[in-house]
Amino acid sequence: GESVGLHLPTLSVQEGDNSIINCAYSNSASDYFIWYKQESGKGPQFIIDIRSNMDKRQGQRVTVLLNKTVKHLSLQIAATQPGDSAVYFCAESPNDYKLSFGAGTTVTVRA
Amino acid sequence: GAVVSQHPSWVICKSGTSVKIECRSLDFQATTMFWYRQFPKQSLMLMATSNEGSKATYEQGVEKDKFLINHASLTLSTLTVTSAHPEDSSFYICSARGRGRGDADTQYFGPGTRLTVL
Repeated sequence: GESVGLHLPTLSVQEGDNSIINCAYSNSASDYFIWYKQESGKGPQFIIDIRSNMDKRQGQRVTVLLNKTVKHLSLQIAATQPGDSAVYFCAESPNDYKLSFGAGTTVTVRA
Repeated sequence: GAVVSQHPSWVICKSGTSVKIECRSLDFQATTMFWYRQFPKQSLMLMATSNEGSKATYEQGVEKDKFLINHASLTLSTLTVTSAHPEDSSFYICSARGRGRGDADTQYFGPGTRLTVL
């Protein structure tokens, strides 16, 4: 993911709308990517992953898109719910081993 | 499945004391465990990687004599913060990769331990 910084981007979304969270990764050798959700005071929770031989993968209400050409990863959440409010991190790995985390995006769902 | 626990969930200690944090994989054997540190409103920073029965590998800038890691079994790893100081106050999170799971590449995270050093 992007180099760690002090500023967490934010996204405010209306309940019921779709959310799109973006992430630019840095290592062109990365071949495994994961999205995690972290609620306040808790550990990251696995959402969905994708390998570099794919450009799209769908889960329950979530879709991950991978564009290797521009080193971009996105997470789409359909019909966003209040329980989706959290910080979302993308993580990349060049060797299926150590993960490098992006800066994170804080998602706030408006009722 | 894929449950990772940490104990304690929070700890407050005096400067100069040592604190031990446990990380357990409850329903799978963890071939590799990772320790991360997270400061407020920041991302996770990998501190070290440990494989069962071998010495931990520390990331650049992490003092191995200060952050002692032991991975004695396939379900338990411990992180000991020695001679803790206020700047060590942080949220410490472990993760584990499993053996014998279809998703063996995925890291599953514990709930974290909040360390406050006075």
